[in-house]
Amino acid sequence: IAGITQAPTSQILAAGRRMTLRCTQDMRHNAMYWYRQDLGLGLRLIHYSNTAGTTGKGEVPDGYSVSRANTDDFPLTLASAVPSQTSVYFCASAERAGGEDTQYFGPGTRLTVL
Amino acid sequence: GQNIDQPTEMTATEGAIVQINCTYQTSGFNGLFWYQQHAGEAPTFLSYNVLDGLEEKGRFSSFLSRSKGYSYLLLKELQMKDSASYLCAVRDGDYKLSFGAGTTVTVRA
Repeated sequence: IAGITQAPTSQILAAGRRMTLRCTQDMRHNAMYWYRQDLGLGLRLIHYSNTAGTTGKGEVPDGYSVSRANTDDFPLTLASAVPSQTSVYFCASAERAGGEDTQYFGPGTRLTVL
Repeated sequence: GQNIDQPTEMTATEGAIVQINCTYQTSGFNGLFWYQQHAGEAPTFLSYNVLDGLEEKGRFSSFLSRSKGYSYLLLKELQMKDSASYLCAVRDGDYKLSFGAGTTVTVRA
């Protein structure tokens, strides 16, 4: 079934540890996005990529890095996790960054940093 | 960034109509989206407006006034399964989406 997969589904992590959240889509979408969702704050954009080989910073990029080596994969790395990074992380993709192209969201990763 | 406001919660009765308002201030505008999100699940696309006016899709309609920075999502003939959070999102001049905090709609029998 076509769509977006994220791994892991959930994770408990000790502060200071390095963690990579994985995101893969098989729709050959050009644009991909990482959001975090916190109660009362809604979804906030962390990083994005309009096409393979390019990335950009969103609203809350500090403490996170991304790479886009190919069309399908867009991993998000926390170099040294802190408790304020406890959140639900959603990956999304769109055929293009503009026009009517809607974003399709993955199932999310629930991350707890202790 | 964007400033997007929508009510936190709304409650309505099964079969009724509910209107969720969204106001926004934006630097550049390239469309407004509404998403539905059930608890513990990913957001799913409902509607897209880029020109002023009403877009109708079955029981759901969305309206946009760009000059007023205003949109609403209208849910008709409410069903229990419509209990969810509804997210208003604005795409800016750089084609990035900014989301409101969401409106939790509770449908009661």
